[in-house]
Amino acid sequence: DVKVTQSSRYLVKRTGEKVFLECVQDMDHENMFWYRQDPGLGLRLIYFSYDVKMKEKGDIPEGYSVSREKKERFSLILESASTNQTSMYLCASSPSGRASNEQFFGPGTRLTVL
Amino acid sequence: EDKVVQSPLSLVVHEGDTVTLNCSYEVTNFRSLLWYKQEKKAPTFLFMLTSSGIEKKSGRLSSILDKKELFSILNITATQTGDSAVYLCAVDLPNSGYALNFGKGTSLLVTP
Repeated sequence: DVKVTQSSRYLVKRTGEKVFLECVQDMDHENMFWYRQDPGLGLRLIYFSYDVKMKEKGDIPEGYSVSREKKERFSLILESASTNQTSMYLCASSPSGRASNEQFFGPGTRLTVL
Repeated sequence: EDKVVQSPLSLVVHEGDTVTLNCSYEVTNFRSLLWYKQEKKAPTFLFMLTSSGIEKKSGRLSSILDKKELFSILNITATQTGDSAVYLCAVDLPNSGYALNFGKGTSLLVTP
């Protein structure tokens, strides 16, 4: 059974803190993604990675960075958390190649920044 | 500017009704259009459409893509309360690697 896991379901942090959100997939997928989901705005792509140590900016990368040191793990970093980063964060992965673009999602991390 | 537009944004129907959810997009050169269902957790995959005019079916759900008119529909027949969810449409964009561009979703509530 394919699985994408995220380190926390709920997280509360203070403004200015450095925040790490971890995502691990066990499907040997090359591609991994970080989205945030907000009411009325849908899912928006923050960053993605198509290989170890590779990363690409998505639509809203400002205030975020990522790390992909191992194939199965993709971390999202908020260098200095702000209240407007309160959101649901979803990680996803997919295999490479044109045959399939289905993305498998993790359960999400609901982050609140006070 | 939204590249993927879903309509309606929300919908309330009675059990047994048939619903049609719409997804229009502005991207002309894409590889696939995907539909996901999201309850109070992670989105789960429903369909991936790559060819125009070929209907995909899974039980009471079906979907079709029209690449000429740039839209897709998701049909749910004989709706049940368990169909209540947000339905998301996404398109993979040219030159975006493998990233998906999502619409805002349609929130469907099926009442008993």
